[in-house]
Amino acid sequence: EVQLVESGGGLVRPGGSLRLSCAASGFSFSTSWMHWVRQAPGKGLVWVSRIMSDGNAAYADSVEGRFTFSRDNARNTLFLQMDSLRVEDTAVYYCARDNYNGAFDSWGRGTLVIVSS
Amino acid sequence: DIVLTQSPDTLAVSLGERATINCKSSQSVLYSSSNKNYLAWYQQKPGQPPRLLIYWASTRESGVPDRFSGSGSGTDFTLTINSLQAEDVAVYYCQQHFSTRTFGQGTRLEVK
Repeated sequence: EVQLVESGGGLVRPGGSLRLSCAASGFSFSTSWMHWVRQAPGKGLVWVSRIMSDGNAAYADSVEGRFTFSRDNARNTLFLQMDSLRVEDTAVYYCARDNYNGAFDSWGRGTLVIVSS
Repeated sequence: DIVLTQSPDTLAVSLGERATINCKSSQSVLYSSSNKNYLAWYQQKPGQPPRLLIYWASTRESGVPDRFSGSGSGTDFTLTINSLQAEDVAVYYCQQHFSTRTFGQGTRLEVK
């Protein structure tokens, strides 16, 4: 069974940093593309970042230069380093698996990040 | 970036009736070499992560009831839910997986 478990969320002040993790199991992690998607309270889904199996990452314009997506294939874990956080980064952050066709077929339950002074 | 616009924002349908949600893309998501439309649909219930329903515009994900169907090509797509069940109450999102991923704004489906 595919499992994705996010952790690392919490309350942080504007300008601060946070590192999210996503532990994966039940599938061939090292060959999978993975994504982060966020959802502000009461709002819609917003794609944040994607990482390919070789570690190549792409980012939404809103987080480019502030967020860094990485992976540890030996530990089946993803990381999202979030720096220079803004109030508008407040959201539930989900990690999701790419189904090799580009859609997201498995999702974690998310971790809540609150950026507030 | 490709912009997806869903309509309506909210839809109320009686149990047993058909629900239709539309998604319009700002540019074609048809990949000519494969002749596939890179458009997906998701269902999200309160307090839960999204669930993939449809990809390639009309391919149903494993385990998804056959009352859910997707159609369309190029820039205009539709999610149809036949014989609405109470458990179908949710927010539905379209997403393009043609390029850097984007989602529609969501459509809230309620029971009339």
